[in-house]
Amino acid sequence: DQQVKQNSPSLSVQEGRISILNCDYTNSMFDYFLWYKKYPAEGPTFLISISSIKDKNEDGRFTVFLNKSAKHLSLHIVPSQPGDSAVYFCAATPNQAGTALIFGKGTTLSVSS
Amino acid sequence: DARVTQTPRHKVTEMGQEVTMRCQPILGHNTVFWYRQTMMQGLELLAYFRNRAPLDDSGMPKDRFSAEMPDATLATLKIQPSEPRDSAVYFCASGLVGNPFYGYTFGSGTRLTVV
Repeated sequence: DQQVKQNSPSLSVQEGRISILNCDYTNSMFDYFLWYKKYPAEGPTFLISISSIKDKNEDGRFTVFLNKSAKHLSLHIVPSQPGDSAVYFCAATPNQAGTALIFGKGTTLSVSS
Repeated sequence: DARVTQTPRHKVTEMGQEVTMRCQPILGHNTVFWYRQTMMQGLELLAYFRNRAPLDDSGMPKDRFSAEMPDATLATLKIQPSEPRDSAVYFCASGLVGNPFYGYTFGSGTRLTVV
């Protein structure tokens, strides 16, 4: 029973275009959502997060949107760059008080130049 | 630049052997996690600790896996006996409970191959 789902295993985008990665969740207790980026042979690194009291959070080229009613969030990367090619994991947690993150299976993004 | 250190980076072992993976969390972080990455399951939570006390180990096969924090600078994950299905990348992560929340910092992982 997967609580965090990333239904697209892979996504290919051209350099300069927008990349949109999607994530759905089933647990209505989730209160905080994060995106991690992972390069081969490295651990995941924190990218951006959003609290359930917001519907958008922006950090440079990265924006995360949250639609609580649909239990859906998305990560937008604009403009996409070849260095963005990596596996992106969506994660969720019931609160910020140090509980474990529940991860999706990841989406592999390939940005071609 | 603070980082989580995991050793060894790679481990190949024969089925039935004991495997020990080690993690040095970031100094001052009070929460430590063990995750396992497989192609089929993605990143699965195995166990985690707060102030060295185990909070949840429900993700671990209890009969063969054990996780401990002998002190604040060391977390260990042991598999005994190991099986081929344990082959995966094992990640340790650490973090500090607080607000704002910046997520957890992951180590580079231990790639385990059981033959």
